[in-house]
Amino acid sequence: QVQLVQSGAEVKKPGASVKVSCKASGYTFTSYYMHWVRQAPGQGLEWMGIINPSDGSTSYAQKFQGRVTMTRDTSTSTVYMELSSLRSEDTAVYYCARDQRYDFWSGSIDYWGQGTLVTVSS
Amino acid sequence: QSALTQPPSASGSPGQSVTISCTGTSSDVGGYNYVSWYQQHPGKAPKLMIYEVSKRPSGVPDRFSGSKSGNTASLTVSGLQAEDEADYYCSSYAGSNNVFGTGTKVTVL
Repeated sequence: QVQLVQSGAEVKKPGASVKVSCKASGYTFTSYYMHWVRQAPGQGLEWMGIINPSDGSTSYAQKFQGRVTMTRDTSTSTVYMELSSLRSEDTAVYYCARDQRYDFWSGSIDYWGQGTLVTVSS
Repeated sequence: QSALTQPPSASGSPGQSVTISCTGTSSDVGGYNYVSWYQQHPGKAPKLMIYEVSKRPSGVPDRFSGSKSGNTASLTVSGLQAEDEADYYCSSYAGSNNVFGTGTKVTVL
């Protein structure tokens, strides 16, 4: 069965960086795009960007351009999301989430990781 | 890319129907048939309920249906049940971008 297992909660100081991992299993890793979505406490869902695990190509939401980097390691079926220059407003649960369509960016997400809480506080 | 606009809340009694709107632009909702809807219960990850405007994933009850007209998509939940009480989000592909709606809290009275 498809599983996305994320790394554990993080506490960071303002200005620092955080790197969240997401290990995929139960399907062909390189055949499905992976999204990153975040949700601040009590707030809605926010799309951050997407990576194609096949070739590593990425597309980021304009809001995060220059601060976010998404990478992948095909040997371990793991994707990573690194966010730099953290500020308090970045406190949120970060999800990795698989696009539903085979080898295509459709925008529909059928599997989600369990979420990683990142807290930014001095 | 601005968030898609949803009403903050909607409600209905058990057995009734509720419809949630999701308004975007010709660059997102109106431009592509890649609108999705998600259900999220407190403390849980979202769950895909509708994809490609009106398709239901396996296991989603047929009480859930989706449609689109112009720049506005809609989710209808028929025969409301207590377990349908949750937050609902729409989402649309937007050409090298993705955008979520502002979210709607559905209350079953």
